[in-house]
Amino acid sequence: DIQMTQSPSTLSASVGDRVTITCRASHNIDTWLAWYQQKPGKAPNLLIYKASSLHSGVPSRFSGSGSGTEFTLTISSLQPEDFATYYCQQYDSDYTFGQGTKLEIK
Amino acid sequence: QVQLVQSGAEVRKPGTSVRISCKTFGYTFTRFHIHWVRQAPGQGLQWMARLNPTDGSIRFAQKFQDRVTMTRDTSTNTVDMDLSSLTSDDTAVYYCGRVLTGVGIDYWGQGTLVTVSS
Repeated sequence: DIQMTQSPSTLSASVGDRVTITCRASHNIDTWLAWYQQKPGKAPNLLIYKASSLHSGVPSRFSGSGSGTEFTLTISSLQPEDFATYYCQQYDSDYTFGQGTKLEIK
Repeated sequence: QVQLVQSGAEVRKPGTSVRISCKTFGYTFTRFHIHWVRQAPGQGLQWMARLNPTDGSIRFAQKFQDRVTMTRDTSTNTVDMDLSSLTSDDTAVYYCGRVLTGVGIDYWGQGTLVTVSS
């Protein structure tokens, strides 16, 4: 099985900040990586697919990069609605999620 | 529009089974795989299995392959997931999701809370 490790587990930031979340895969997954945002009590929402492609309707302040085993999600200027938990997910071999990164208001 | 509507919350005793339904609307049912993901209270997302509605083929996460069965009904555009031999560790919200190939889960059900308690 492919393991996904996110860092940090928790991130404190302020509105307007630029933040980056990292996701590492235990094996080479090329660019078969997605990022999701989840708010409490809600299903996740797809943000980024194929490591760097923005899903329809997702604001352009979200971006993704990486390939192989190391990936990042960047939010260029945090908005109040961005405080949530973020998950990476590989889909090179079945599916595996990272453990999540909770983005909190500083 | 595309919707995935799941069956309601369930309470089960340890050792029993539960069936969760995922009824789909607004797209051609056989063109997209359906995946199941669960989330224990306060925990992260865990992928369980996926079904290909075209032929009914299934792939499981190794952890679940002995306890999960999935079926589909192409006349009602519904996928059912059965989870057996329940323990308290199976208490979670269970989500179904539609997968756009090469993209990921682009539409999700609303989630079904399964509580396992004696």
